[in-house]
Amino acid sequence: AAGVIQSPRHLIKEKRETATLKCYPIPRHDTVYWYQQGPGQDPQFLISFYEKMQSDKGSIPDRFSAQQFSDYHSELNMSSLELGDSALYFCASSPGLAGVRRTDTQYFGPGTRLTVL
Amino acid sequence: AQKVTQAQTEISVVEKEDVTLDCVYETRDTTYYLFWYKQPPSGELVFLIRRNSFDEQNEISGRYSWNFQKSTSSFNFTITASQVVDSAVYFCALSEVKNRDDKIIFGKGTRLHILP
Repeated sequence: AAGVIQSPRHLIKEKRETATLKCYPIPRHDTVYWYQQGPGQDPQFLISFYEKMQSDKGSIPDRFSAQQFSDYHSELNMSSLELGDSALYFCASSPGLAGVRRTDTQYFGPGTRLTVL
Repeated sequence: AQKVTQAQTEISVVEKEDVTLDCVYETRDTTYYLFWYKQPPSGELVFLIRRNSFDEQNEISGRYSWNFQKSTSSFNFTITASQVVDSAVYFCALSEVKNRDDKIIFGKGTRLHILP
């Protein structure tokens, strides 16, 4: 079965650079979530989108922005990278139901490991 | 506020032993979902189970079983006859259903070592 695709899988950047992470949800899933997992930490919610609109926001720094496109893929843009941004970034998707929002299981992608030097 | 507590930071057992991972949650909502995810050394998050707050039936899936008790706000996970491949970090998680806010709140995780 198709899973959530994230690219790139690994990314190395220097401080103050920018990075863009991409997420392709499972087909027919209309909700996308982004989580950040620091070393030895639990995943922390950053932001979510439903039907291309931002639906919820967590502790996402102002330096980060995200959007969901018409094909439901999402991109997380990170600017002025800091050492503390080094983490595993997960995207998750969940299905809608004929346009009716509901809470459903979130299926996680393999993650993008970002290292900031 | 919602919170998930996994008191066991790290557990080591010998292969074939049974092991139970504890999870206690806090929420003010009457409608919520509980999850368990497995994170093997490779890093991906593998969905194991979702349970809604109205379904207290215990569930068994192969060597895995879950015990949900609303009275004690617990959702414990037992692995029977553990195997080395079960070594991973296991996260218990909670999602509330209100105001279209269904982000997942994770516990800190329990690192499980299965020794051969």
